[in-house]
Amino acid sequence: EVQLVESGGGLVQPGGSLRLSCAASGFTLSGYWMSWVRQAPGKGLEWVANVKQDATEKFYVDSVTGRFSISRDNARNSLFLQMNSLRVEDTATYYCVRENIGGILDQWGQGILVTVSS
Amino acid sequence: SYELTQPPSVSVSPGQTAKITCSGDALPKQHACWYQQKPGQAPMLVIFKDTERPSGIPERFSGSSSGTTVTLIISGVQAEDEADYYCQSGDSGPTYRRVFGTGTKVTVL
Repeated sequence: EVQLVESGGGLVQPGGSLRLSCAASGFTLSGYWMSWVRQAPGKGLEWVANVKQDATEKFYVDSVTGRFSISRDNARNSLFLQMNSLRVEDTATYYCVRENIGGILDQWGQGILVTVSS
Repeated sequence: SYELTQPPSVSVSPGQTAKITCSGDALPKQHACWYQQKPGQAPMLVIFKDTERPSGIPERFSGSSSGTTVTLIISGVQAEDEADYYCQSGDSGPTYRRVFGTGTKVTVL
């Protein structure tokens, strides 16, 4: 059974940093692109970033470019999202998501809440 | 930035057909997916490559594509289909960025 379990969320002040982790099981992480998707309270889904299987390519939504960094450790079946210079508008539930061929987001974690507030 | 546009809400009676549209200029060149999200839950894939249904998704869920618009069709709507639905595709241009539609709340009357 495929499982994606996020951790590392919580409350942080504006300008602070947080590192999200995602533990993957039930499949071979190295075979897939991986994404982070977020959802602000009461709002829609927003794709945040993704990373190629070997981490040689990474893409970001404009609003986080230069502040967030996606990475992965295939040997440890883990995906990460380093979030710096956090803003109030980054407050959201963050989902770890597996990408299948063609950008199909076929497996989702349960999500982790990040709250940016003073 | 590239956008996918959906109607904010669709209302349908049980047993009737719900159609949710998603419009975007790059859709003629990019496949689209659809996701269902119920309150307090993570999204779930219900349609991929415009018309394909993952295993385990009921046959009443189907998709179609025409030009710059893709459509999610729920035939014989059931109360359990009440949820938010999002389309998703690739960003326009030579990139692996992804983009979501604005979302549609389906209400079963």
